[in-house]
Amino acid sequence: DSGVTQTPKHLITATGQRVTLRCSPRSGDLSVYWYQQSLDQGLQFLIQYYNGEERAKGNILERFSAQQFPDLHSELNLSSLELGDSALYFCASSPHGGSGYGYTFGSGTRLTVV
Amino acid sequence: QQQVKQSPQSLIVQKGGISIINCAYENTAFDYFPWYQQFPGKGPALLIAIRPDVSEKKEGRFTISFNKSAKQFSLHIMDSQPGDSATYFCAASRTGNQFYFGTGTSLTVIP
Repeated sequence: DSGVTQTPKHLITATGQRVTLRCSPRSGDLSVYWYQQSLDQGLQFLIQYYNGEERAKGNILERFSAQQFPDLHSELNLSSLELGDSALYFCASSPHGGSGYGYTFGSGTRLTVV
Repeated sequence: QQQVKQSPQSLIVQKGGISIINCAYENTAFDYFPWYQQFPGKGPALLIAIRPDVSEKKEGRFTISFNKSAKQFSLHIMDSQPGDSATYFCAASRTGNQFYFGTGTSLTVIP
């Protein structure tokens, strides 16, 4: 157990729907990062939050949004889902706002859009 | 644009052999270079990391070699074991910014 908790582990939904993925960071970590991992691609950075504030944005679609709550857990919202959104979504956390330290990843949420 | 290029895409090594995975980067501002190991169904786990002020770091059977002038770094797995079979990702970051990951190398160690 890495200490980063992601729920749900698996999600199957239809095109056009909206889903919410949840992440609880490791105790004491202030930064949360969201990554998308497709079958034929590496880890694509989506967005980072640090202590409740958006810190950095990557290749995140406008249909996707995220937030980090006062208790530091984070949610990634995916809407108007398309078949191409099927992927593994990982959350990672780190103690600081910067990345000069290793991330700790959760086990991911496997999203299947049918 | 791929910030970190990783090769090979896949690698098959005999048990006891040396596995070598290479990465190259462009941004000279990067100052942290970790390697992650990922088993099927699991999230990536930090394996070993290096900063550009040293040319080599060793932890057990895993060694990172770093060539700052060539902007390259590599992971060497000595005495490779079947349990090392996994996907390996290199990454690079500049302090205060997100990690950029390579596309991954699928390593298979055959008994």
